[in-house]
Amino acid sequence: QVQLQESGPGLVKPSQTLSLTCSVTGDSISRATYYWNWVRQPAGKGLEWIGRLYSTGRASYNPSLKSRVTMSVDTSKNHFSLNLTTLTAADTAVYFCARGIQLSIWGQGILVTVSS
Amino acid sequence: DVQMTQSPSSLSASVGDRVTITCQASQDISNYVNWFQHKPGKAPKLLIYDASNLDAGVPSRFSGSGFGTEFSFTISSLQPEDVATYYCHQYDHIPQAFGQGTKLEIK
Repeated sequence: QVQLQESGPGLVKPSQTLSLTCSVTGDSISRATYYWNWVRQPAGKGLEWIGRLYSTGRASYNPSLKSRVTMSVDTSKNHFSLNLTTLTAADTAVYFCARGIQLSIWGQGILVTVSS
Repeated sequence: DVQMTQSPSSLSASVGDRVTITCQASQDISNYVNWFQHKPGKAPKLLIYDASNLDAGVPSRFSGSGFGTEFSFTISSLQPEDVATYYCHQYDHIPQAFGQGTKLEIK
């Protein structure tokens, strides 16, 4: 059974960089031909697609965040990562990772608060 | 960017009712639409993929239809455990996009 689990800091200061990791169990990122996605949900708001990357490392980002987002994959650790720079309060959200072009499997999400 | 306009934003219905949510895409997206159920504190759950295909293990009271720019999602007989927010989602174009969500409650 494939499972995804997000990890990272729960509190980050404004202007700093957020680094999150999504660990994958039950499947190999390097073998699977899937897209690996990040999605977020600000409190009281809807879902926002941040971007995705292929197991080869090729990435596509939401233009609304493109200048601040980087995604990468570490096949040796079987996880993929999200870096989001120059944080503001508007980046406070629950961040989810999800597998596949249809987002068929999700992690439980991690709440990230941007505050000084 | 493709915009997904979802309606209604909220819905209250009785157990056993038939409930329908619609989503309109700002341009043709073929059948590249998913429908998700999202309960507070949980991960979103894929119910319908490719506009009309039921994901594995999803009860048959859930269904989806549509092609091009007009899509709909139906619960044929509402159950108490269906209380959640539902989202449509297009993955034909980058950036992928979600509808604004429909909060479904029981009367």
